[in-house]
Amino acid sequence: DSGVTQTPKHLITATGQRVTLRCSPRSGDLSVYWYQQSLDQGLQFLIQYYNGEERAKGNILERFSAQQFPDLHSELNLSSLELGDSALYFCASSVDAPTDTQYFGPGTRLTVL
Amino acid sequence: GENVEQHPSTLSVQEGDSAVIKCTYSDSASNYFPWYKQELGKGPQLIIDIRSNVGEKKDQRIAVTLNKTAKHFSLHITETQPEDSAVYFCAASNGRGAQKLVFGQGTRLTINP
Repeated sequence: DSGVTQTPKHLITATGQRVTLRCSPRSGDLSVYWYQQSLDQGLQFLIQYYNGEERAKGNILERFSAQQFPDLHSELNLSSLELGDSALYFCASSVDAPTDTQYFGPGTRLTVL
Repeated sequence: GENVEQHPSTLSVQEGDSAVIKCTYSDSASNYFPWYKQELGKGPQLIIDIRSNVGEKKDQRIAVTLNKTAKHFSLHITETQPEDSAVYFCAASNGRGAQKLVFGQGTRLTINP
């Protein structure tokens, strides 16, 4: 158990809908990272938050957004969902920088029908 | 930006034999190289990492080597066991700029009993 929690474990929804994925980092970790894992793209970095502030952006679509709250948990919002958004979404946390060890949560499997 | 290439994509070895997975990276400023193991239905789990001030690191049956001149690093697993079967990912980061881990495409390792 990495200490990172993610909810829900599975999510099935329809195209055009909006969903929210939630992540709680390990105790003491200030940085939260979101990754998307699909069969043909591997693990793709989406976005990083550090202590409530956005720190880095990767290949995150404009339809996706995230935030980190004062209690350090983070939410990833996915809107206007398309079939291609079906993937595993992982949250990871670290103490500070990406060169600190990143611990991954169990992931949320999103299926868009 | 950083690009990480990982080979092979699949690897099958006999139990007790050694397995080697290789990665190359493009950004000479990268200074942190973790390896993750992902079992079916789970999030990636860090198994070993190396920083650019060392050339080799070992942890029981697992070792990682780094060649900064050639910009490649490798994972070595000795005395393989069935529980080593999983997908392994290498990654690289420089902790600056985009501040993200860039992952290789993964290697599916199968240990045959």
